[in-house]
Amino acid sequence: RKEVEQDPGPFNVPEGATVAFNCTYSNSASQSFFWYRQDCRKEPKLLMSVYSSGNEDGRFTAQLNRASQYISLLIRDSKLSDSATYLCVPSSGGYNKLIFGAGTRLAVHP
Amino acid sequence: DAGVIQSPRHEVTEMGQEVTLRCKPISGHNSLFWYRQTMMRGLELLIYFNNNVPIDDSGMPEDRFSAKMPNASFSTLKIQPSEPRDSAVYFCASSLDRGTGNYEQYFGPGTRLTVT
Repeated sequence: RKEVEQDPGPFNVPEGATVAFNCTYSNSASQSFFWYRQDCRKEPKLLMSVYSSGNEDGRFTAQLNRASQYISLLIRDSKLSDSATYLCVPSSGGYNKLIFGAGTRLAVHP
Repeated sequence: DAGVIQSPRHEVTEMGQEVTLRCKPISGHNSLFWYRQTMMRGLELLIYFNNNVPIDDSGMPEDRFSAKMPNASFSTLKIQPSEPRDSAVYFCASSLDRGTGNYEQYFGPGTRLTVT
């Protein structure tokens, strides 16, 4: 089983749509969780941390379910600039190390 | 504030040549990570350092790869001899390990390596 599993997509959505990405992780000892975004031919950039109680940052909402080892990202009112690959990233439990998923590609069209 | 700095941004070399990639982490960060990204294998952790000490090098492909961190503001990743299958984008990332369990990492722009 892969350490992090994500639907590769692509998710093709119109501007203004709401889109949700999910991922599952295998290491029950993971302590920290993040979503990164990566634009084509660029470096991954931290989008947001994911907290146990769920958290929101503008149009972005992240949820964590530790029991099911499941993380989600919801994007509301999609913009063209949201087009990117979104990487689900749990930590490698107990260590200062992150495990990057292969990513879900999002394409927002006019 | 300056982010993670990597050089060179692009490197084209011939098989068998030595390649040295350089990284300057964010000032004050105490952990540094080297990753490799390809279409086939995604983003792979090669090695990471904490307080300049290598902690986990299990991702280093083979003896041709070596990494050093002589001080808190500089690290190198060396490939000798290089092979075409080493062609990839190599990222350096840094983070501040406060011991709180929240380990967000910040990436440099990467070095795009092509070995012919």
